[in-house]
Amino acid sequence: NAGVTQTPKFRILKIGQSMTLQCTQDMNHNYMYWYRQDPGMGLKLIYYSVGAGITDKGEVPNGYNVSRSTTEDFPLRLELAAPSQTSVYFCASSYGQGVETQYFGPGTRLLVL
Amino acid sequence: DAKTTQPTSMDCAEGRAANLPCNHSTISGNEYVYWYRQIHSQGPQYIIHGLKNNETNEMASLIITEDRKSSTLILPHATLRDTAVYYCIVRALNTGNQFYFGTGTSLTVIP
Repeated sequence: NAGVTQTPKFRILKIGQSMTLQCTQDMNHNYMYWYRQDPGMGLKLIYYSVGAGITDKGEVPNGYNVSRSTTEDFPLRLELAAPSQTSVYFCASSYGQGVETQYFGPGTRLLVL
Repeated sequence: DAKTTQPTSMDCAEGRAANLPCNHSTISGNEYVYWYRQIHSQGPQYIIHGLKNNETNEMASLIITEDRKSSTLILPHATLRDTAVYYCIVRALNTGNQFYFGTGTSLTVIP
């Protein structure tokens, strides 16, 4: 299993541009998550999904959108990039609710100039 | 979710045990204690979790006090590859499986 994969690894955006961060997992996990991590800080939850067609907001959802059309994929959309969205973005997945642990992808570094 | 308090940084000599403390004085009865670590900006990696009893796996041991207000993660023989930021997280069931990460403890293993 490849686990959780994310693309791209690094991206530079201009203010106002849009992009989609891709996340795919091959573990047949029901739950998927998007976090952001600013320099020197812990991770903050942006959005999460408990299954295909179901998404919900986390701590810091403003400026982002998500969709979950399949179990495997959970893309994160930035519509109007702002410098405040410069961060490292991590996608994670877990089997379901309960004590199941989360498995993280390698991250996407985003720089908005 | 209950908040946790961890020291900002710690050092440990290579080959010695690393003991990382975590305070979670407001933990609820149904909240588990999880430990993750993050090596040099990679994605966080699960280490161990527990509810009441002490736990041990191939990576570490978790000691939870009887009143559950604090815990200690023990890496029995620290290596240079254990240099990382370690996050202590408390999490209840039925909360959308959200994990709230703080700033963690930056552990440096010294040769």
